[in-house]
Amino acid sequence: EAGVTQFPSHSVIEKGQTVTLRCDPISGHDNLYWYRRVMGKEIKFLLHFVKESKQDESGMPNNRFLAERTGGTYSTLKVQPAELEDSGVYFCASSQDDGTVTYEQYFGPGTRLTVT
Amino acid sequence: QKEVEQNSGPLSVPEGAIASLNCTYSDRGSQSFFWYRQYSGKSPELIMFIYSNGDKEDGRFTAQLNKASQYVSLLIRDSQPSDSATYLCAATGGGADGLTFGKGTHLIIQP
Repeated sequence: EAGVTQFPSHSVIEKGQTVTLRCDPISGHDNLYWYRRVMGKEIKFLLHFVKESKQDESGMPNNRFLAERTGGTYSTLKVQPAELEDSGVYFCASSQDDGTVTYEQYFGPGTRLTVT
Repeated sequence: QKEVEQNSGPLSVPEGAIASLNCTYSDRGSQSFFWYRQYSGKSPELIMFIYSNGDKEDGRFTAQLNKASQYVSLLIRDSQPSDSATYLCAATGGGADGLTFGKGTHLIIQP
């Protein structure tokens, strides 16, 4: 079974430009999450999709960030316009909706974003 | 604000000994707790989770939860050099909620 995949693995852009990150969850996983780790800080939750619906976007830093999950499969996270403080590693995770108490989240390899 | 606290380390343990990693959390509403292992430059890898008070064992790993003290720990028995990594503690309100992570503890197993 393929794991969570993310593209690109690295992205270097200039301040003011736009970048789109993509995440493909594990097949069959309805729950998809975006997280971010900036240097020296802990991994922070950004948002949670259940299928194509945004369940919780309380962690999104501001309206320069737009996440979509059309069709409930892969997701994109667009940053427009990018600022220096957006630099960090963006992780995607997915979990299966199996009705249990605890949903195990499996992480992708991350996209390292550098804004110069 | 929900917080998860971990000692950043490094924690140095001789090979074959027991490594003990600790974590505290601030939100009493937290229901489930996860331990992830992260090698440098890699993604977090789920080791195990716990949601009931007490101990939960999985191979060389034992997770311990004390909700009254808001304390979670991970014990690694017979530590191996390959266990050297950063260990992340995470909490969630339950179900499919997003995770609140600590900064992680850097563990070094000395051969």
